Amino acid sequence: AQKVTQAQTEISVVEKEDVTLDCVYETRDTTYYLFWYKQPPSGELVFLIRRNSFDEQNEISGRYSWNFQKSTSSFNFTITASQVVDSAVYFCALSEPPGANSKLTFGKGITLSVRP
Amino acid sequence: DSGVTQTPKHLITATGQRVTLRCSPRSGDLSVYWYQQSLDQGLQFLIQYYNGEERAKGNILERFSAQQFPDLHSELNLSSLELGDSALYFCASSVDWAESYNEQFFGPGTRLTVL
Repeated sequence: AQKVTQAQTEISVVEKEDVTLDCVYETRDTTYYLFWYKQPPSGELVFLIRRNSFDEQNEISGRYSWNFQKSTSSFNFTITASQVVDSAVYFCALSEPPGANSKLTFGKGITLSVRP
Repeated sequence: DSGVTQTPKHLITATGQRVTLRCSPRSGDLSVYWYQQSLDQGLQFLIQYYNGEERAKGNILERFSAQQFPDLHSELNLSSLELGDSALYFCASSVDWAESYNEQFFGPGTRLTVL
């Protein structure tokens, strides 16, 4: 069975600090997809990134970067120079390959608070 | 704006009642997914429909049912409501479950409160 663990439940930082959100996953599939979603206080789920299991390149998008390590089954998310607008709940999710059950299995989420 | 619409935005009802949540997927998306977000269970997959047919079931209670209509909109029916059904219900859609990736776009959610 698939499982996503986000061991951190709440993180509080001061603006401009860097922060890393951890995600560890479990799956028996060799092909799978990993995702990060952001849920701001308004409640909607905002897609941030998708990664497939064959692409271990780290990715950077502005202040966001992702580190995917198959060897440790981790897909960590770093926000550099955090801002108050980054305050939200962040979910890591795992999906089986297409053609199977494509549901997303979510972690419990990490509540990030960025203080001015 | 993801392009996925959900109605109503908020719903307050009493125990034992039945409600219907509605979802319109993004234009062109054939697959619809329903998820429940509650404080104790987190975000859980309920059910998936593809082009009118049920494709996958998750932790969906027997009191809950869903369907996808020919125009591809979907409805989630919740009956004999209990206090524990209070949650945020999300609908998501994707282009095709058999594509090389299956990015799901989420609607704004329907917040259900059962009193």
